[in-house]
Amino acid sequence: TQLLEQSPQFLSIQEGENLTVYCNSSSVFSSLQWYRQEPGEGPVLLVTVVTGGEVKKLKRLTFQFGDARKDSSLHITAAQPGDTGLYLCAGAKYGGSQGNLIFGKGTKLSVKP
Amino acid sequence: AAGVIQSPRHLIKEKRETATLKCYPIPRHDTVYWYQQGPGQDPQFLISFYEKMQSDKGSIPDRFSAQQFSDYHSELNMSSLELGDSALYFCASSLGTGLVYNEQFFGPGTRLTVL
Repeated sequence: TQLLEQSPQFLSIQEGENLTVYCNSSSVFSSLQWYRQEPGEGPVLLVTVVTGGEVKKLKRLTFQFGDARKDSSLHITAAQPGDTGLYLCAGAKYGGSQGNLIFGKGTKLSVKP
Repeated sequence: AAGVIQSPRHLIKEKRETATLKCYPIPRHDTVYWYQQGPGQDPQFLISFYEKMQSDKGSIPDRFSAQQFSDYHSELNMSSLELGDSALYFCASSLGTGLVYNEQFFGPGTRLTVL
């Protein structure tokens, strides 16, 4: 059973469109990270959300942490071909040195020119 | 800014051989984590170390062992390699002391192929 459910699994859109990726769980997390991963490379940290209800913006990317700290979303406005990649959400159940990250299965995004 | 360094980047081994993967965390980071990512899979946590002591253990096979040294670098030792061990192995590091959240920075990974 996947602790973090990510949807959609695949997404193919045209340049300029908007999209939202969801990350849901029945568990509470102390923090949640969003990563982007290119094939054969390590995940690159995009953002960390910590507080329930928190919203963080990174240029055209908006990240939201649910009030109960069980779910998160990533919204991309006016997607560009450079946004193509695998987006992973990862939750930490504990803080500090105790917690390993639990990953979702990822959303493979393809933005066509 | 300095990132997590992993070596080697690629490794090819035969079944039943041993392999050692190395990880150098971001300077001042005291916690390292090892993850295994199979083809088309999400990263799975293996083991972590904080201040040279094992802090958490995940799905690491008994054939694997790891340690963190006094300079905070870590090594993952893998013995009796099996075909199913072929995967990308990532190391991540974080500053673990007293933080509420667990923000991990990943290295570029080591691609292990077992023939």
